[in-house]
Amino acid sequence: NAGVTQTPKFQVLKTGQSMTLQCAQDMNHEYMSWYRQDPGMGLRLIHYSVGAGITDQGEVPNGYNVSRSTTEDFPLRLLSAAPSQTSVYFCASSTDRGYLGGTEAFFGQGTRLTVV
Amino acid sequence: KNEVEQSPQNLTAQEGEFITINCSYSVGISALHWLQQHPGGGIVSLFMLSSGKKKHGRLIATINIQEKHSSLHITASHPRDSAVYICAVGLQGGSEKLVFGKGTKLTVNP
Repeated sequence: NAGVTQTPKFQVLKTGQSMTLQCAQDMNHEYMSWYRQDPGMGLRLIHYSVGAGITDQGEVPNGYNVSRSTTEDFPLRLLSAAPSQTSVYFCASSTDRGYLGGTEAFFGQGTRLTVV
Repeated sequence: KNEVEQSPQNLTAQEGEFITINCSYSVGISALHWLQQHPGGGIVSLFMLSSGKKKHGRLIATINIQEKHSSLHITASHPRDSAVYICAVGLQGGSEKLVFGKGTKLTVNP
C-alpha cells in the first residue's frame, strides 16, 4: 500500500516555465489537498478537492491550477513559475472531508521546488 | 496573531529526557492534529484528537478544549525523535482547511 505518492521529489525551474506536480493516492480517499511550506510559516493550503470533478481554492491559490479527473490523482500545475513559488509542496489526502469530522490526514513525501 | 501558536520554536534535549511541546489556538475546532516531519522528509500524522488524551508508544497527546490548548509529550526521548513537530487544527463550522502552527524543531542529543 503506497499511500500518497508525490513526484518529482526535487525540481529546478526557470522563471516563466510551467510544470505539473503529480500526486496519487491508492486509499480511495475523497479529500485531497495541496499545501506549500515556507521557512518560518506554517503549511498553507493552495487548492483542495472533495471528490472527482470537484476542486476549490485554498488560502494561496494564485499561480496554480488543479484538476481532479479521478479519485486517485490530483495534479498541481504551475502555469508560469515565479521565484516566489520556490517552496516545498505537500499533497495530502483523507477519507472524507477529514478535517470536519476529524479523520487522519496522509501526506506525501513532498516536492522541493526551486524557481530561478 | 496566528490562529495556532506553538512553543517552543526550538527545543534541544538530552537522550532520555521528558519533552513537552505546546500548542494553543484561538478558534473553534473540530479536531487537532499532531504531525511529525523529519529533516528532508515527508509529514506523518501522529495523533488526531478532539478531547482528552491519546497515547502511542512513548508519545502522549492531550487536549483541553476549554483552555484551547494541547500538549505533545515524549517520554524517554531518543535521537530518532529529532524532527519538527507540527500542530494543526481543523476549523469548526464546515471550513475545508487545516490551520497549521509553524512547528517546533526538536533535537535530541545522545
